[in-house]
Amino acid sequence: AQSVTQPDIHITVSEGASLELRCNYSYGATPYLFWYVQSPGQGLQLLLKYFSGDTLVQGIKGFEAEFKRSQSSFNLRKPSVHWSDAAEYFCAVGEDTDKLIFGTGTRLQVFP
Amino acid sequence: EPEVTQTPSHQVTQMGQEVILRCVPISNHLYFYWYRQILGQKVEFLVSFYNNEISEKSEIFDDQFSVERPDGSNFTLKIRSTKLEDSAMYFCASSGNSGPTDTQYFGPGTRLTVL
Repeated sequence: AQSVTQPDIHITVSEGASLELRCNYSYGATPYLFWYVQSPGQGLQLLLKYFSGDTLVQGIKGFEAEFKRSQSSFNLRKPSVHWSDAAEYFCAVGEDTDKLIFGTGTRLQVFP
Repeated sequence: EPEVTQTPSHQVTQMGQEVILRCVPISNHLYFYWYRQILGQKVEFLVSFYNNEISEKSEIFDDQFSVERPDGSNFTLKIRSTKLEDSAMYFCASSGNSGPTDTQYFGPGTRLTVL
């Protein structure tokens, strides 16, 4: 069965530091991969998605993610974190239908 | 920017009561979804809906659950007889097209607490 693992429940970084959030998936075919962010009181907002082509995907708010088939990973990165990036981040994989399968999320805390 | 809205933001109910969670999808979207997240667990797919019928549902979506698009703007999730384990955050989403390549836009969620 398809699954998504986000091994880090909670990450704390200093403002200006680089960030990498990990995501591993289990899926037989070429996956459709997504990163969503949820700020307090807000809905899930799409940061970026990967379907095919270039394995390095650029998203909104300065985020990028790299698809590595050999490692079954789709890690999210940002070179310099801002205090406003504090939120919950969800990795998800899409099947050939409409269903998205989410990971448990990583809560990011940013210190000034 | 258009957005998905959900009401109420928080609903408290007694076990065995019926609840209706409401969503207003983005106006020109045709595909609608409900997901839920039990505290500390994954966001889970419940159901997708298109052309006034369910297109896919998960094993969670049993006979206690139903969805409806009663008019041109609202999309509702009804739980007929709530259980304690139905306590969760419920997210509505919509997309313009079907399939995983089209972005699903999510609402802010309704937190359901069953006492």
